[in-house]
Amino acid sequence: AQSVTQLDSQVPVFEEAPVELRCNYSSSVSVYLFWYVQYPNQGLQLLLKYLSGSTLVKGINGFEAEFNKSQTSFHLRKPSVHISDTAEYFCAVVGGTSYGKLTFGQGTILTVHP
Amino acid sequence: GAVVSQHPSWVICKSGTSVKIECRSLDFQATTMFWYRQFPKQSLMLMATSNEGSKATYEQGVEKDKFLINHASLTLSTLTVTSAHPEDSSFYICSAGRTSGSNNEQFFGPGTRLTVL
Repeated sequence: AQSVTQLDSQVPVFEEAPVELRCNYSSSVSVYLFWYVQYPNQGLQLLLKYLSGSTLVKGINGFEAEFNKSQTSFHLRKPSVHISDTAEYFCAVVGGTSYGKLTFGQGTILTVHP
Repeated sequence: GAVVSQHPSWVICKSGTSVKIECRSLDFQATTMFWYRQFPKQSLMLMATSNEGSKATYEQGVEKDKFLINHASLTLSTLTVTSAHPEDSSFYICSAGRTSGSNNEQFFGPGTRLTVL
């Protein structure tokens, strides 16, 4: 079984500042890792994913994440945030033997202030 | 491409009635669809995995007789909440799985807000 922990439930930040949303996972098998964004009353949109290869993954809207196997982490970063980045962000994992069954973290609400 | 729709987007019903939610993959075929439930200020919890032409696989603790899932075609899965009660009020989100080579990805619908009075 897999589990995901997002260490911060809320992250306030000022516009144009950098941000890091933290995600740690546990799994006994190899994993695929994802970050999703959810705007109010909407479904989820994929920001980026790590399947294999380079541990630094670049996604949409200027976000990137780095897979660190030794620390079992997959932190999401953006060097300069915008007001429009205000949303809830979910880290998710799929275990190597359980295709499709996403396990989500608790979510991090990012609030960008002007 | 890879658009998933849900209908209705929101529904209010009386306690004891049944509600059907549709999930459609609009521009691709999905042999597997997933149903999630999200309570306010909480994460998504997988309820069941729906495979076209076969019975759904429910997660532990999810009542299969209460949450009926039908995946009759490669583009449509339905979730019926039978005899709904106020505690069933939640945001229900479906996703459709698409395989492209060795790349598997889920695409999420916009969600359905269910309120049971």
